[in-house]
Amino acid sequence: AAGVIQSPRHLIKEKRETATLKCYPIPRHDTVYWYQQGPGQDPQFLISFYEKMQSDKGSIPDRFSAQQFSDYHSELNMSSLELGDSALYFCASRETGTGGGTEAFFGQGTRLTVV
Amino acid sequence: ELKVEQNPLFLSMQEGKNYTIYCNYSTTSDRLYWYRQDPGKSLESLFVLLSNGAVKQEGRLMASLDTKARLSTLHITAAVHDLSATYFCAVVHSGTYKYIFGTGTRLKVLA
Repeated sequence: AAGVIQSPRHLIKEKRETATLKCYPIPRHDTVYWYQQGPGQDPQFLISFYEKMQSDKGSIPDRFSAQQFSDYHSELNMSSLELGDSALYFCASRETGTGGGTEAFFGQGTRLTVV
Repeated sequence: ELKVEQNPLFLSMQEGKNYTIYCNYSTTSDRLYWYRQDPGKSLESLFVLLSNGAVKQEGRLMASLDTKARLSTLHITAAVHDLSATYFCAVVHSGTYKYIFGTGTRLKVLA
């Protein structure tokens, strides 16, 4: 079965550079979530999209932006990278369906290292 | 604001022993997930608990949900080394359906 695909799997950037992380949801899934997991931390919600519109926003820095495209894939753009942005970034997708109660599935994550 | 707490944060146990991990959450939710995460890896879904009193078992792990107490437990029976990992519970926010993760329990099973 198709899963959530994230690319790249690993990314090394220097401070002040920019990075773009991509997420390809499971076919027919209309909702995408982004999470950031620092070393030894629990995943923190960044932002979510439903039908290409932002549906919720968490602790996402102003230096980050995201969008969901017409084919439902999503991109997380990160600018002016800081050492503290080094983390594992997860994307999850879900089919909202009636009542919105379906399970979200997580991708393998992108490990971003800022040096 | 929905908060999710787990305890213990760290757990070191001998093989063959039993133990329980607790997950408390602060506001009403009728949907709770348990995940396993190996170092540097993704989140592996273990259990989906959808209603009060739900109990699910898979191998040496058993999870339960008490929505009235806002408590879920993950019970480990006769632990083996392969169970060493970090375990997260996640509660679904009823309005936005985002997942709020617990603080995680880092389990180490000693041979």
